[in-house]
Amino acid sequence: GQNIDQPTEMTATEGAIVQINCTYQTSGFNGLFWYQQHAGEAPTFLSYNVLDGLEEKGRFSSFLSRSKGYSYLLLKELQMKDSASYLCAVRSGSGGSYIPTFGRGTSLIVHP
Amino acid sequence: ETGVTQTPRHLVMGMTNKKSLKCEQHLGHNAMYWYKQSAKKPLELMFVYNFKEQTENNSVPSRFSPECPNSSHLFLHLHTLQPEDSALYLCASSQEPAESGSDEQYFGPGTRLTVT
Repeated sequence: GQNIDQPTEMTATEGAIVQINCTYQTSGFNGLFWYQQHAGEAPTFLSYNVLDGLEEKGRFSSFLSRSKGYSYLLLKELQMKDSASYLCAVRSGSGGSYIPTFGRGTSLIVHP
Repeated sequence: ETGVTQTPRHLVMGMTNKKSLKCEQHLGHNAMYWYKQSAKKPLELMFVYNFKEQTENNSVPSRFSPECPNSSHLFLHLHTLQPEDSALYLCASSQEPAESGSDEQYFGPGTRLTVT
């Protein structure tokens, strides 16, 4: 089975930087995804990591360490609209069947 | 037309009813998924279809029955549900469940289901 752990809730101030961590235990690791989900809306794709290191995309960056089973999503220059749930998803499997498993999500509250 | 659409957006049904959820994707993807999202719980994968063939059934009770007539359409047929089945049901699609690559999923807006 898989175990994905991320904090339930975080708060931060507009303009600041926040780091959301995700740890996982899995076999047949084949990539880690971050999604953003605003209340009442569908999750939307933010980033993908399969190799160790940092992937940067505008204000958002995602880091992966496969040996540590660890990833983080870094959000810079926070805006009020960044208040949302952030879902960490790990894809794993074998034999041509690779399925993503989601964590519970981290609810980020950005305040003025 | 937006990428992934779902109907209805809201559904209230009794435990003896039969209803169906519909999902349609306009992205030319080959894989489609059903997820259940309950409060305070992770997204739970229910079913996966790859090129219209069901490749995963994640120990879902038989009162949920999926149907994938073609790569663009996915249905979830519901019958004799329980109150604990009340949740947001999300449909998603991806190019295909590839072995590698950023094969992200595109989600529909979901159907908010309430079983009374």
